Amino acid sequence: KQEVTQIPAALSVPEGENLVLNCSFTDSAIYNLQWFRQDPGKGLTSLLLIQSSQREQTSGRLNASLDKSSGRSTLYIAASQPGDSATYLCAVYSGGGADGLTFGKGTHLIIQP
Amino acid sequence: DAGVIQSPRHEVTEMGQEVTLRCKPISGHNSLFWYRQTMMRGLELLIYFNNNVPIDDSGMPEDRFSAKMPNASFSTLKIQPSEPRDSAVYFCASSLLGREQFFGPGTRLTVL
Repeated sequence: KQEVTQIPAALSVPEGENLVLNCSFTDSAIYNLQWFRQDPGKGLTSLLLIQSSQREQTSGRLNASLDKSSGRSTLYIAASQPGDSATYLCAVYSGGGADGLTFGKGTHLIIQP
Repeated sequence: DAGVIQSPRHEVTEMGQEVTLRCKPISGHNSLFWYRQTMMRGLELLIYFNNNVPIDDSGMPEDRFSAKMPNASFSTLKIQPSEPRDSAVYFCASSLLGREQFFGPGTRLTVL
């Protein structure tokens, strides 16, 4: 059974710092990996999707990498801003059909002004 | 596109009552998923449909939970009878052919 772990569980940094969020998964046979953002009391916003054949994806100040063989992904946030404060969730999709996503517990990020 | 639509956004009910949650997926998507989010367990898959057919309901916690997808644009998740431990946020998501999943805003359910 696939398990996803996110480290750290919580992170607080001053505005302007670059930071890295980590995600690991136990079964490397994945189809793709998604990073989401969740604001308090809100739904999930998809940030980046990495297919299993890809090494990284970039969107603005966000960069996600994938090392499928070692079961790891990182989300890099450049020049952090207070508006980046949220919970970041990593999820893997393992099925070739229409299986659901397996989620980590998330990293709760606070950017101090 | 309006994205995935869920209703109601909030539901407060008493133990023993029937609860029905509704979802409209993104037009053209052929896969639909129901997830539940709690503080203790995080986000968990309950059931998913492929082309309106339930594929795997092993995540459904008990027989009190049931889900249907009568057509490509509508799905329901029903809890009968509801219990306080069912209190959670229920999300619906849709995708096309196993690609990126898009989530609705969720239904926050409180069972008293």
